[in-house]
Amino acid sequence: QQKVQQSPESLTVSEGAMASLNCTFSDGTSNNFRWYRQHSAKGLEVLVSIFSDGEKEEGRFTAHLNRANLHVSLHIREPQPSDSAVYLCAVSIIRGRIFFGDGTQLVVKP
Amino acid sequence: DMKVTQMPRYLIKRMGENVLLECGQDMSHETMYWYRQDPGLGLQLIYISYDVDSNSEGDIPKGYRVSRKKREHFSLILDSAKTNQTSVYFCASTIGGGHNQAPLFGEGTRLSVL
Repeated sequence: QQKVQQSPESLTVSEGAMASLNCTFSDGTSNNFRWYRQHSAKGLEVLVSIFSDGEKEEGRFTAHLNRANLHVSLHIREPQPSDSAVYLCAVSIIRGRIFFGDGTQLVVKP
Repeated sequence: DMKVTQMPRYLIKRMGENVLLECGQDMSHETMYWYRQDPGLGLQLIYISYDVDSNSEGDIPKGYRVSRKKREHFSLILDSAKTNQTSVYFCASTIGGGHNQAPLFGEGTRLSVL
């Protein structure tokens, strides 16, 4: 069974400073990776999807994937207080099965 | 506007009562999911549906069943609800197997079983 682990559990950054979140996965055949954001008491909002090694940018959000190291990261440029939320890493293999990490709680201080 | 709609948003039931959670989408997505989210356990897959009447168990199907008679609707049923089924339930949908399009999630249903 795929295991997806996120670090850190929580992260506090100042407004404008880069925020970096990490995600490791156990199944090297995984081929589909996404980062979601979840504001308190809300649904999940997809931020960026990445399918091959390298980098994918969507606005202020950039994902880096290194499948050999079983690692995918999310970097948030110029974070704002409205970016304070839980960030979830999602990893898929086949037939739509998605495995989620437990999330990183990000707090952006003004 | 692409959207997954869950009803109701909040629900309180007594132990032993039956519970029906409904999910709808108007994008003709083939694949739909039901997850529950609990503190410390993250999102756990209950059931996945690949199309009408094509449903598969996820990781925690016990105590739940689903129904998908139309592509647009996917229901989660709890027969005789238990207190440990108190949780936030999320529905999601995507085209095909979800490889090229990120699943869209609903806003969740907060269920309390007393």
